[in-house]
Amino acid sequence: ETGVTQSPTHLIKTRGQQVTLRCSSQSGHNTVSWYQQALGQGPQFIFQYYREEENGRGNFPPRFSGLQFPNYSSELNVNALELDDSALYLCASSLNGNEKLFFGSGTQLSVL
Amino acid sequence: QQQVKQSPQSLIVQKGGISIINCAYENTAFDYFPWYQQFPGKGPALLIAIRPDVSEKKEGRFTISFNKSAKQFSLHIMDSQPGDSATYFCAPHSNTGKLIFGQGTTLQVKP
Repeated sequence: ETGVTQSPTHLIKTRGQQVTLRCSSQSGHNTVSWYQQALGQGPQFIFQYYREEENGRGNFPPRFSGLQFPNYSSELNVNALELDDSALYLCASSLNGNEKLFFGSGTQLSVL
Repeated sequence: QQQVKQSPQSLIVQKGGISIINCAYENTAFDYFPWYQQFPGKGPALLIAIRPDVSEKKEGRFTISFNKSAKQFSLHIMDSQPGDSATYFCAPHSNTGKLIFGQGTTLQVKP
């Protein structure tokens, strides 16, 4: 059984660019959630995907978008990057939206 | 994030001591109350969790105490070890399917 894996581990982008982050859920899990963790803060919910449909969204602008694939892996896309988007982006998977989330190690995004 | 307030922000405990971290929440619709542990460079990992129909749950050295009327729950780490040094988050689960994380408590256990 493999855990949640995220790629890349680190990324440096310039303001205004677009970025795609990837996540493979834990084996058997069909729900993926994305969180943003700014330095020294707790993670904040971005959105959740269940069976390829968005199933809840936090207080993030539309330039944050996502996708879930038939194998339940997921992507987070951020357009028009801003300096404040610099953060650790965490992916978490669960079974059928269960509250027990299993997190990956995250992608550290730096926007210059 | 104002829905959940965690204290203290940081904590230093001697090896063998008791670490206590508190979490206060506002939303009475929360239905699951976990604590997550996060080491540098890693994602949060579920440590222990409780449901609102139970007042206390113990797993090894870790105990959650839950006070529904006060809308508070706490994490107790008995016999704290240097390996427990990490950041701890309370993250109650809302009925909208998301975890609401507190601001975190950085625990340092001195040898």
